[in-house]
Amino acid sequence: EPEVTQTPSHQVTQMGQEVILRCVPISNHLYFYWYRQILGQKVEFLVSFYNNEISEKSEIFDDQFSVERPDGSNFTLKIRSTKREDSAMYFCASRSEGNTEAFFGQGTRLTVV
Amino acid sequence: AQRVTQPEKLLSVFKGAPVELKCNYSYSGSPELFWYVQYSRQRLQLLLRHISRESIKGFTADLNKGETSFHLKKPFAQEEDSAMYYCALRPTTDSWGKLQFGAGTQVVVTP
Repeated sequence: EPEVTQTPSHQVTQMGQEVILRCVPISNHLYFYWYRQILGQKVEFLVSFYNNEISEKSEIFDDQFSVERPDGSNFTLKIRSTKREDSAMYFCASRSEGNTEAFFGQGTRLTVV
Repeated sequence: AQRVTQPEKLLSVFKGAPVELKCNYSYSGSPELFWYVQYSRQRLQLLLRHISRESIKGFTADLNKGETSFHLKKPFAQEEDSAMYYCALRPTTDSWGKLQFGAGTQVVVTP
């Protein structure tokens, strides 16, 4: 069964560094998402992406965040200058046209030290 | 703004006992509701959604618009039901499909 895959599974980075979290959505899906979950808190929506552009973003998704689909298969989340409060589990999700079920990746645990 | 509330952080039940996970929502329109489950070290996966009205792994959930609830129930809990359960809402006015999650309920089924 096709799955959303995310790499790396765990990333440790120093404060102020840039990180790129990678996702490969399911191949025929058209809608892509990033969510995050700070330890002990709820899963929060960050951004949705459709037709090669951001369709919606939350207030968490400020100027330090960006998303890209550079090659038609990967979907990346870049955090430009990481802060300790960016430490969280980041989930990528995708869904197909006409289906409201979102399929999630296993997540990338980001630790900013 | 919409909100999803799961009042129980932890539910501990014995195998074979009924289990009910509460979910209440606030949304001015007509939402689409989901239950997602996350087993230990696995990804979030859809358990069921209200529009399909199906029973998955013995779980059912009924959307009660009067009480704005979407509680998840199973008459006889099994050990393999131990997991984290998230209630989620998709505003039907949102064509991009973002999900608003509750805080989650950890279910522990003991033999």
